Amino acid sequence: EVQLVESGGGLVQPGRSLRLSCTGSGFTFGDFAVSWFRQAPGKGLEWVGFIRTKGYDGTTEYAASVRGRFTMSRDDSKSIAYLQLNSLKTEDTAVYYCSRRFPLGELWFFDYWGQGTLVTVSS
Amino acid sequence: QAVVTQEPSLTVSPGGTVTLTCGSSTGAVTSGHYPYWFQQKPGQAPRTLIYDTSNKHSWTPARFSGSLLGGKAALTLSGAQPEDEAEYYCLLTYSDPERVFGGGTKLSVL
Repeated sequence: EVQLVESGGGLVQPGRSLRLSCTGSGFTFGDFAVSWFRQAPGKGLEWVGFIRTKGYDGTTEYAASVRGRFTMSRDDSKSIAYLQLNSLKTEDTAVYYCSRRFPLGELWFFDYWGQGTLVTVSS
Repeated sequence: QAVVTQEPSLTVSPGGTVTLTCGSSTGAVTSGHYPYWFQQKPGQAPRTLIYDTSNKHSWTPARFSGSLLGGKAALTLSGAQPEDEAEYYCLLTYSDPERVFGGGTKLSVL
């Protein structure tokens, strides 16, 4: 059974950092790209970015709202993708989700999602 | 950044049919936007229902279908069930890698 589990969320002060993890199981983690999304309390979904597979050099793409502050990485030996959140702002408060991206020809699409981890940025 | 628009709320009767739409501020939605549809129930993570306009995952109930309709992406639910009551989000891809969600449609089955 394919599963994605996010962890690492919590309460953090503005300007501080946090690292989130997305642990996959039930599939060969290195064969799939990983996307991150977030959802502020009571609000809609926002795409954060994604990290490609090692076959595509593990390159990353970010939404403009987080570019330069958030960094994605992956450790396929542990089946974990990471989202490093730096210089956090109160508006980064949200549930953060990871999702798997599977290949279909030359394109990649989302399928499974994790249950999310809550990040609260507050003094 | 482009703005993606959805109906804020819709109501459908049990067993009825309803179409949710997803428009773009930049013009007509095309297959090149690779439209997605996600379902999210209260307190739960989103679930991918439709990808690449009309493709379904193994868990997508047959009563859901995706299409392009009148310059928009569309999600049609035929034979609504009480368990279909949820928030539905569309997602469009613009100049890679930009991806933009719509604001969501709250679907009530009453």
